[in-house]
Amino acid sequence: TQLLEQSPQFLSIQEGENLTVYCNSSSVFSSLQWYRQEPGEGPVLLVTVVTGGEVKKLKRLTFQFGDARKDSSLHITAAQPGDTGLYLCAGAITDSWGKLQFGAGTQVVVTP
Amino acid sequence: NAGVTQTPKFRILKIGQSMTLQCTQDMNHNYMYWYRQDPGMGLKLIYYSVGAGITDKGEVPNGYNVSRSTTEDFPLRLELAAPSQTSVYFCASSYSEGGLGSPLHFGNGTRLTVT
Repeated sequence: TQLLEQSPQFLSIQEGENLTVYCNSSSVFSSLQWYRQEPGEGPVLLVTVVTGGEVKKLKRLTFQFGDARKDSSLHITAAQPGDTGLYLCAGAITDSWGKLQFGAGTQVVVTP
Repeated sequence: NAGVTQTPKFRILKIGQSMTLQCTQDMNHNYMYWYRQDPGMGLKLIYYSVGAGITDKGEVPNGYNVSRSTTEDFPLRLELAAPSQTSVYFCASSYSEGGLGSPLHFGNGTRLTVT
């Protein structure tokens, strides 16, 4: 059983379209991170959110942390083929020493 | 900086064989981790270390062992390989506790097949 549920599992869109990836849990997190992983490589951090309701923007990527710190979303505007990858969310449980729990990931494919 | 370096990139083992996955980092990070990644399952923590000489079990430690004799190196040992250990293994490091705002820096992984 995944502590963090990501949806959808797979997303295929055309270049220029928008997409949203969701990360949900019944647990409260002290912080939540988003990583992107490309084939044959390790995950690379995109952003960390720590405050409920926080919104962070990274160029065409918008990250939101839920008010209750149980969920998060990643929105990509005008997707490009370079956005293709596996997007992973990872949360730190408030009553642990800070070990991250990873979701199963959302595979995003952007075709030209 | 090289960051986190893992060797080998690929390995095929027969059931019952043993091997060590190597991991070294040059960022002087105290925290290091070993994860395995299986399709559709995300990353599962095997072992972690908060500093040289200190290691602890993660979520899925059975069948694995680790050591941390230096800050830089954190090898993962498989003693009796089993098909269930077929996976991609990632080593990571962080400056402080992962999740408390400190990002994890990952290596490029070792793809292990046990037949």
